[in-house]
Amino acid sequence: AQRVTQPEKLLSVFKGAPVELKCNYSYSGSPELFWYVQYSRQRLQLLLRHISRESIKGFTADLNKGETSFHLKKPFAQEEDSAMYYCAPHPNSGGSNYKLTFGKGTLLTVNP
Amino acid sequence: GAVVSQHPSWVICKSGTSVKIECRSLDFQATTMFWYRQFPKQSLMLMATSNEGSKATYEQGVEKDKFLINHASLTLSTLTVTSAHPEDSSFYICSAAQGFLGADTQYFGPGTRLTVL
Repeated sequence: AQRVTQPEKLLSVFKGAPVELKCNYSYSGSPELFWYVQYSRQRLQLLLRHISRESIKGFTADLNKGETSFHLKKPFAQEEDSAMYYCAPHPNSGGSNYKLTFGKGTLLTVNP
Repeated sequence: GAVVSQHPSWVICKSGTSVKIECRSLDFQATTMFWYRQFPKQSLMLMATSNEGSKATYEQGVEKDKFLINHASLTLSTLTVTSAHPEDSSFYICSAAQGFLGADTQYFGPGTRLTVL
């Protein structure tokens, strides 16, 4: 069964500190991986996807196939980064719908 | 670009009545739309996937006859909660994707808060 684990429900850091949100997955095949973010009172939105290898709002995520991890990192956290973050893989092959499997999410709080 | 809207944003209904929620892709054609449910302080749970012009695919444990999904056009999908009960009270979120079978980025609607009295 497809499974996504975000071990930290809550993560609190101070502004300017590095932050890492962990994500491990158990998935058949080679999934494509996404990080979604939900700011307070806003809709869920895409933060980044591993295939694009972009850095969005200073965040990066490296896919480690050996460890089946896709941790999200930012070297210097900002207060506006406070939000709920979800890791979500989906299948990378046709034949079935490309449905996302969401982790339980990590609530990041960046303190001033 | 890639905006998804939902209507209504919130609804209160009496137990036993049916409620329809609309999900629209405003500036793109969505081959696939997904319906999620989110309980307070919990993650999104996929309920069903709908591909335009075909029947929805429901996740295990989701009652097809209770949650009717129609995806009649490339910009509109509807979720009807039939004979709603208090336990159906939740936050319902849709997403839309352009790619075939939903491949590609999913864009999310703002959600609909359903309260069943």
